[in-house]
Amino acid sequence: DQQVKQNSPSLSVQEGRISILNCDYTNSMFDYFLWYKKYPAEGPTFLISISSIKDKNEDGRFTVFLNKSAKHLSLHIVPSQPGDSAVYFCAAQDSSYKLIFGSGTRLLVRP
Amino acid sequence: EAGVVQSPRYKIIEKKQPVAFWCNPISGHNTLYWYLQNLGQGPELLIRYENEEAVDDSQLPKDRFSAERLKGVDSTLKIQPAELGDSAVYLCASSLEYGELFFGEGSRLTVL
Repeated sequence: DQQVKQNSPSLSVQEGRISILNCDYTNSMFDYFLWYKKYPAEGPTFLISISSIKDKNEDGRFTVFLNKSAKHLSLHIVPSQPGDSAVYFCAAQDSSYKLIFGSGTRLLVRP
Repeated sequence: EAGVVQSPRYKIIEKKQPVAFWCNPISGHNTLYWYLQNLGQGPELLIRYENEEAVDDSQLPKDRFSAERLKGVDSTLKIQPAELGDSAVYLCASSLEYGELFFGEGSRLTVL
């Protein structure tokens, strides 16, 4: 039973446009959410996070939105750049500080 | 500052053979994690250490997998004997307490 779901395995957007990556979770006890970015043959790197007490966190071109009632979070990248092409993983942390990852969304930003 | 170092990067073995992966975390990080990543999936936690103590090994298949972090610094993950289904990337990560995880580049295992 997947507790963190990324239902879109891939996404393709034009350079300069907005990329929106979505993530759904089932456990209402998750209290911290993170996005990781992964290039081929590299380990995931931390991108941005949000606490469950907030509904938005912004860092430059990256913004994460959290809708607790819908158990949904999204990552917005504006404007998208070719270097953003990577696999993006959503992760949720439970009360024991265990991180549970989604299956990832492969983003392709077309020049 | 050096990141999380893992070795080997790639390993090809025949089934039923043993294999070991090594991880050196970022200096000062007391929490160390081993994750398994299958193709097309997200990382799944195998074991988490706080210093030398394994605080969460509920997902570690203990019949064939073992791990150690004897001095609370570097760690070794072993599989004996390996099975075809163990082919995956084994990721090590470290963190300060329960902060942001820093991942190594991973060790890709192919079992023939």
